[in-house]
Parts: sequence; C-alpha cells; structure tokens
Amino acid sequence: GESVGLHLPTLSVQEGDNSIINCAYSNSASDYFIWYKQESGKGPQFIIDIRSNMDKRQGQRVTVLLNKTVKHLSLQIAATQPGDSAVYFCAENGSSNTGKLIFGQGTTLQVKP
Amino acid sequence: EAGVAQSPRYKIIEKRQSVAFWCNPISGHATLYWYQQILGQGPKLLIQFQNNGVVDDSQLPKDRFSAERLKGVDSTLKIQPAKLEDSAVYLCASSPVNSGNTIYFGEGSWLTVV
Repeated sequence: GESVGLHLPTLSVQEGDNSIINCAYSNSASDYFIWYKQESGKGPQFIIDIRSNMDKRQGQRVTVLLNKTVKHLSLQIAATQPGDSAVYFCAENGSSNTGKLIFGQGTTLQVKP
Repeated sequence: EAGVAQSPRYKIIEKRQSVAFWCNPISGHATLYWYQQILGQGPKLLIQFQNNGVVDDSQLPKDRFSAERLKGVDSTLKIQPAKLEDSAVYLCASSPVNSGNTIYFGEGSWLTVV
C-alpha cells in the first residue's frame, strides 16, 4: 500500500549545526514531494517541494534531496536555529493525480542553544 | 493574501454529541481538503473537493462524518455522533489546482471528545 515514513521520531541538534531529516517512501509512482514544518499548535507550513524529474532543490537555508532509486527523501537545514524547532513531515502525492498528499509520521527537531 | 481560515479553533464535546467545523480557503483556490491529524501522527486525508464536487472521500467515516462545499467556496465538516477516537486536529487546506501543487493549511480546529 501507500506509505510515507521518517527514519527517526526525534532529532536533537546544536544551534548552528546542520540538520538532516530523512524520509522513506514506498510508492514508486509518486512524482511530487513536499516537506512541511509544523510548530506546536499550528497547521503544517510549506517549506520546500521537489518533483521527480529533479534530485536536488535548494531554498533559503534548506535543501531537499530525492533519491528515486532507493525511494528516499531528505531535508537538510543549514545553520539550524532555535526557531527551526518543530515537527517535520514529508509528504508525497502517491499514485493519485488528484493532488492529495500522503503524509509520514513526522520527525521532531529539537535545537539546543 | 489571507490564508486558510478555520473556526472554531478549539472545541470540547461529550461523546455522542455533534460538532461542526467551518473552513474558508484561500481566495481563488478551487481545491479544498479536510485532513484529520491525531496527536503524534501525520495528517490523514478525509475528503477532497474540487469546486463543489467531491473528488475523494474514500477515508471519510461516512456513518458519522459529513462534509459539504455547496457554493464551491467555504466548507463545513460535521461529526455526529462523536466518538472518543475522533479527538484530533481537523485541518482544512486548499490548493489552486488539483494535481501536484502545494497545499496550504489552516491552523486547524482542535477537537476533544470526553
């Protein structure tokens, strides 16, 4: 079936270090992937997306890497800041072309000052 | 640009009571989604609308959940009767088209069933 998962439930990093959050997906038909950030008490907030015809995309302090061979997605955050503390979700569009997203379980990023 | 608006933000009800959540999507967004997010889990799609038509309601518990988007703009999600396991955050989201575009979420409506 369709599923999206993250490797680690919690990641703790020192302020200023780089963070890498990983995600494995199972549906090889997925061609669109998104990372969301969810702070406590708020809805998911778009961070960055990538389509399957790319293997890397960069934003401001964030980079998403896509490895379709092993169905792996990662989010890299440079110079992690306390404000980056949140739960991070990866999501994929699965085999559907309706635009819906399938979410993983989430990884909690804790930034230590 | 205004984001996705949801109300109420918080609701506490007893089991077997009913509750309704309202959502107003981003202006011009044709597609509207309701997701359920149980504590500690990722959001799960309940229902997807394209304008005023249902695109996907395969994971909506239709014996107790209903949703409508009569005029193709705002939407209401109703639960009747509520069960303890319905305690969750109900997230409304919208997107401009229905294929592979970014989905924008509201802040959510937090439901506690006691």
